[in-house]
Amino acid sequence: GDSVTQMEGPVTLSEEAFLTINCTYTATGYPSLFWYVQYPGEGLQLLLKATKADDKGSNKGFEATYRKETTSFHLEKGSVQVSDSAVYFCALSDLSGGFKTIFGAGTRLFVKA
Amino acid sequence: GAGVSQSPSNKVTEKGKDVELRCDPISGHTALYWYRQSLGQGLEFLIYFQGNSAPDKSGLPSDRFSAERTGGSVSTLTIQRTQQEDSAVYLCASSFGQGPRELFFGEGSRLTVL
Repeated sequence: GDSVTQMEGPVTLSEEAFLTINCTYTATGYPSLFWYVQYPGEGLQLLLKATKADDKGSNKGFEATYRKETTSFHLEKGSVQVSDSAVYFCALSDLSGGFKTIFGAGTRLFVKA
Repeated sequence: GAGVSQSPSNKVTEKGKDVELRCDPISGHTALYWYRQSLGQGLEFLIYFQGNSAPDKSGLPSDRFSAERTGGSVSTLTIQRTQQEDSAVYLCASSFGQGPRELFFGEGSRLTVL
């Protein structure tokens, strides 16, 4: 079945550092890919998405590119801030799965001032 | 309502008791999901309702877990004969229409089984 694999955390960075959180997926079809974020004490919310190969999703300075050849959707940000400290979840939704959304294990990010 | 509403927000129960968790999705949303988030774990898919279709129950961990959705709106997740390993945050989410859509999450119901 479909699955999502994320790099294990926690990831600890200093403010203004470059961030990469790796995400790879397994799917039988052509899934749509998502990054969700869970800030401390808050519910999950969509950060960005991409629906087809080579699409780039972007929001709040974060970017991720849908790479079909490597089945990856890595999250990047050029300069992180303390306020980016959160748990980040990679997810997919695929026709073969009836469009149910499957999540990775999540990666916790700590940004130090 | 304005968002997905879940109740109770916190529930402490004794091992062996039954619990019911409620989810009120965003009005008009046809899809409703239940997930489980355990400490240090990711989001574990439990069950998915889409419109009038039969629910996808493939994520329910045992026959002690069941869920229903009445009138295409409110959903109740029931856990019978709770065990300590059932302790987790149970998250509900809803989305509009079919296809790969953004999920809107509730704040969750934190279940503690003593």
